Amino acid sequence: DTGVSQDPRHKITKRGQNVTFRCDPISEHNRLYWYRQTLGQGPEFLTYFQNEAQLEKSRLLSDRFSAERPKGSFSTLEIQRTEQGDSAMYLCASSFPSTGGDEKLFFGSGTQLSVL
Amino acid sequence: EDQVTQSPEALRLQEGESSSLNCSYTVSGLRGLFWYRQDPGKGPEFLFTLYSAGEEKEKERLKATLTKKESFLHITAPKPEDSATYLCAILFSGGYNKLIFGAGTRLAVHP
Repeated sequence: DTGVSQDPRHKITKRGQNVTFRCDPISEHNRLYWYRQTLGQGPEFLTYFQNEAQLEKSRLLSDRFSAERPKGSFSTLEIQRTEQGDSAMYLCASSFPSTGGDEKLFFGSGTQLSVL
Repeated sequence: EDQVTQSPEALRLQEGESSSLNCSYTVSGLRGLFWYRQDPGKGPEFLFTLYSAGEEKEKERLKATLTKKESFLHITAPKPEDSATYLCAILFSGGYNKLIFGAGTRLAVHP
C-alpha cells in the first residue's frame, strides 16, 4: 500500500493560465474523489468517479473545471483560465467499497495551487 | 445551510489536560459519521467511522462517540504529538458517496 499520490505538490500560476493536476489512487481502489480545501475550512467535494465513470459533480464546480479518469486508474483535474479564487489545496482520495457499504477514504497530500 | 458544525474552532491544551471536541449535524438519514486528523500541509488521515447512536470507537488516547444529533471526540491525557486539525464528516442518504466536512477544530497541545 503506497498510498494516494498527487503531483505536483505545489503549483504557482498566473491568472488566466490552464493547470492540470494528477492523482494516482491506491491500486485496486475503484472509487476516486476530488476535493478542494481553503485555509481554515474543511475539504469541499468536487467530483467522484467509480472506475472510469464520473458519477457526480458538485454544482459549485464551474465549467472551467474538468476531471477525467481514463481506464479507471489515475485521474487528472484541469482548471482552465484560472482565477485568484481558485487558489486552494486540491485533494484526491480513493476508496474501495466495504461490506458495510460506507467505506473510508484515503487522501493524498494534495496539490497547493496559488494563482497570482 | 451548514450541515456539519464543529466546535470549538481552536483549542489549546496543556499536556495531560483531557478535553472533548464536538461535531453536530443537521441532516436526516445519517449513513455514517467520520473523524479525520489533518496535519499541516497533508491530507486528512482516517481515524474512526460511527454508524449509529450509542456507538463508541477508541484508538490510543482518542475516543469517539455518537448521538442522534452530534458526535464527540474525547482526548484523554493528550501529548504534543496530538496537535493537529480534527475534521468531522458525514455521509447521508441521498448524498451518494460524498463526504460533507465540517471546518475542523485546530488542537494545540503544549508541554
